[in-house]
Amino acid sequence: DTAVSQTPKYLVTQMGNDKSIKCEQNLGHDTMYWYKQDSKKFLKIMFSYNNKELIINETVPNRFSPKSPDKAHLNLHINSLELGDSAVYFCASSQDLGGTEAFFGQGTRLTVV
Amino acid sequence: GQNIDQPTEMTATEGAIVQINCTYQTSGFNGLFWYQQHAGEAPTFLSYNVLDGLEEKGRFSSFLSRSKGYSYLLLKELQMKDSASYLCAVRDWSNYQLIWGAGTKLIIKP
Repeated sequence: DTAVSQTPKYLVTQMGNDKSIKCEQNLGHDTMYWYKQDSKKFLKIMFSYNNKELIINETVPNRFSPKSPDKAHLNLHINSLELGDSAVYFCASSQDLGGTEAFFGQGTRLTVV
Repeated sequence: GQNIDQPTEMTATEGAIVQINCTYQTSGFNGLFWYQQHAGEAPTFLSYNVLDGLEEKGRFSSFLSRSKGYSYLLLKELQMKDSASYLCAVRDWSNYQLIWGAGTKLIIKP
């Protein structure tokens, strides 16, 4: 069984569209994250949820909104997509905020055309 | 401010030893992490250091000096499958946020 799974793996869409990326973890972890990895390979934290509460909300555009129906799921919704949103988005989870190991999903390569 | 520096790329020979350095600046240090990321794949956890010294795990070891803001990842008996990017990340105490370096691309040659 995959520990952290996210879908879709690839997403190609036009500017202005709204899209969602889903993430699920079956590890029983309390904390989940969304990261963006740009073309220069920097991983940047976007959001983290600890037991369903938003803990970190980085200065990302409000077009991005995390949604967590329960602690095993953290979905990412993006409104009015822009060319600069093209990147790889990774979901991850850890036991808690102080966890020593984070488990990453396979990544979603988003291409906005 | 917070900053992570590591070399962009390194090349080593199969069977040899390589050391990847990472220097950091952070206001509230709460641990340093090393992750491995193969091209097109997700990062996977390698090591965690929060106290000074060397942590050994098989062919991989990680060292930390908090006073110098310095860490290194040591890879022994290099194998072709070790060709990957190695990401250094530091956790900040105030918000448990991980600050990531850009990664070091390690190329292993036969």
